[in-house]
Amino acid sequence: QVQLVQSGAEVKKPGSSVKVSCKASGGTFSSSAINWVRQAPGQGLEWMGSIIPIIDIANYAQKFQGRVTITADESTSTVSMELSSLRSDDTAVFYCARESGGIEAFGIWGQGTMVTVSS
Amino acid sequence: QSALTQPASVSGSPGQSITISCTGTSSDVGAYNSVSWYQQHPGKAPKLMIYEVSNRPSGVSSRFSGSKSGNTASLTISGLQADDEADYYCSSSTSSSTYVFGTGTKVTVL
Repeated sequence: QVQLVQSGAEVKKPGSSVKVSCKASGGTFSSSAINWVRQAPGQGLEWMGSIIPIIDIANYAQKFQGRVTITADESTSTVSMELSSLRSDDTAVFYCARESGGIEAFGIWGQGTMVTVSS
Repeated sequence: QSALTQPASVSGSPGQSITISCTGTSSDVGAYNSVSWYQQHPGKAPKLMIYEVSNRPSGVSSRFSGSKSGNTASLTISGLQADDEADYYCSSSTSSSTYVFGTGTKVTVL
């Protein structure tokens, strides 16, 4: 069973960028889409975007267009999400989540990465 | 894309059944059978409970069931148990080839 292992917590200054990685452990991404979901403290889940690593096509939520970039490195089974022009309200836990079997649902989740934006 | 609308909270006694609604539009919930439901305990990653409106992944209790009518999907938890106390989120694919989550519902077991 593939697990998703994310990079560690980050503290960033306003205006900077953060890059969070998500590595498939115990397998590969195969043809599955990898999604990124944001959850601010005490708030709900927010879909940011996704990528299908095998064809390297990314899709982004309109809210994050121009500020988020999702990339994939099949050789290391790693997907990364970079968010730029960070603001204090970007403070959140970021999750990667995998679709599989052609099912449009997030069946496997990473453990989450806390990003704190503070001056 | 606006979040799908869920009640902020739902509660029930052990053994009872509760239902959580998830209302979207004809561009998301009403357009596709790709509604899914997630359970999230505090400090944990979400867990898939229902996919494609009414299907349960392997390992998820049959006490969880899903349905949809028009632009509204529903999650029913029967035989409520203490461990069911958590936040629940619905999700749907959209006509823009994106996803949207619901506002989230806190389930309290009395």
